[in-house]
Parts: sequence; C-alpha cells; structure tokens
Amino acid sequence: DADVTQTPRNRITKTGKRIMLECSQTKGHDRMYWYRQDPGLGLRLIYYSFDVKDINKGEISDGYSVSRQAQAKFSLSLESAIPNQTALYFCATGGVGETYTGELFFGEGSRLTVL
Amino acid sequence: KNEVEQSPQNLTAQEGEFITINCSYSVGISALHWLQQHPGGGIVSLFMLSSGKKKHGRLIATINIQEKHSSLHITASHPRDSAVYICAARPNFGNEKLTFGTGTRLTIIP
Repeated sequence: DADVTQTPRNRITKTGKRIMLECSQTKGHDRMYWYRQDPGLGLRLIYYSFDVKDINKGEISDGYSVSRQAQAKFSLSLESAIPNQTALYFCATGGVGETYTGELFFGEGSRLTVL
Repeated sequence: KNEVEQSPQNLTAQEGEFITINCSYSVGISALHWLQQHPGGGIVSLFMLSSGKKKHGRLIATINIQEKHSSLHITASHPRDSAVYICAARPNFGNEKLTFGTGTRLTIIP
C-alpha cells in the first residue's frame, strides 16, 4: 500500500459543485501539503499544514479550503468548482519535528475535471 | 518568467546513452530537489541537495551554488527511465514554498 494515498484518483464534475479531495498518510509525518499541477506550469502550493491546528495558505489558495482532521488526514475542498480548477492535484507529506529533512513524499495524484 | 528554469523541455535518446538535464534558479536556496513523475502521474523524490553531488544507482545529481545551477545525470539510460523530471528550489526564507520547474520530458528509445 502507498504511504500517501489520495482519493479519488479521477473525478469529473460540473461547475458549481462542491468537491473534496482526500489525502491520508501512514508515514507519521506532521507536515502535509496540497499542490496543483497544470500543463506547462510547475507545481503550485495551495495549502500546507504543520499539524492539526496549524494551517497556512500557499500561493494559490483562493477558491480552495482545507481541513486537517487528524495528523494523518488532510482534505482539500472546492466549495464551488469552476472550469479553471481543472488540474492534477497532489498531496505531499514531509518529516517529523526536528528530524524533518525537507524531503517530500507525494501521493499518486487526483485528476479533477470541471465541466 | 519562472524563477526555476529547466532545459531541455523534451529529450529523446537511445537506450544506453548518457543523459543530462539542467536546472537553473534565480533565488537563494537552502536546497534543490529533483523529482521524477511517471506517465501515470505519481511523483517520486529522487534527490535533495544543497551542495556538491549525490549518487543513487545510475542517477547522479550535482549542484553549483555559486552559479545557481544543478544537473541530473542518468548513466546507461533505459526505457524505464522515461518520465518527466522536475527540479524544485527550496528558498532560504519562507522555505515551505518551493518553486518548481516545468519539467523535462525524457523518452528513452529501446
């Protein structure tokens, strides 16, 4: 089983619908991240979290919200999806406390299409 | 203009060839990451380095801090190396916010 699991892997939805992408990890890491990947662009950070009470906006947080339900779970929500949110979304995790090295561990990605 | 630039954007080579992918960055960094993204989409971390050189199997990553440049080399390339290779710069400040390159698509022909 993957250490970082994203669900769903693929989702097609319509404009205006609420969508949640879920991420769970078995690595025991405290840092979790949501990224978005668009063709021709580098990955961009949407939100990141150091623990359940510490959530921070990234570069492109508008139109998104997150929830850190537990150390192992970090969900990304699109309250009212729009077509330009069509993208490949990645969850990533990183390290524990003072042992954090900066290395990131990625999920397999969730492909979202908004019609 | 992206603060992290990769070259080439696309690279096709014969099996067995020595491969070099380049990454230049304009910000001060604490580390440079190399990632591999397979056709299925998943991303794997290959290297994280802040100086010198690292080697793992047939993969070698180097960095020149003064020149703000890093290279990823693949020796004895194989079709299973076909993937998109992405570099990402971890800045000195605000260093949760990596800046990613747009990737180099590598295709190794048998």
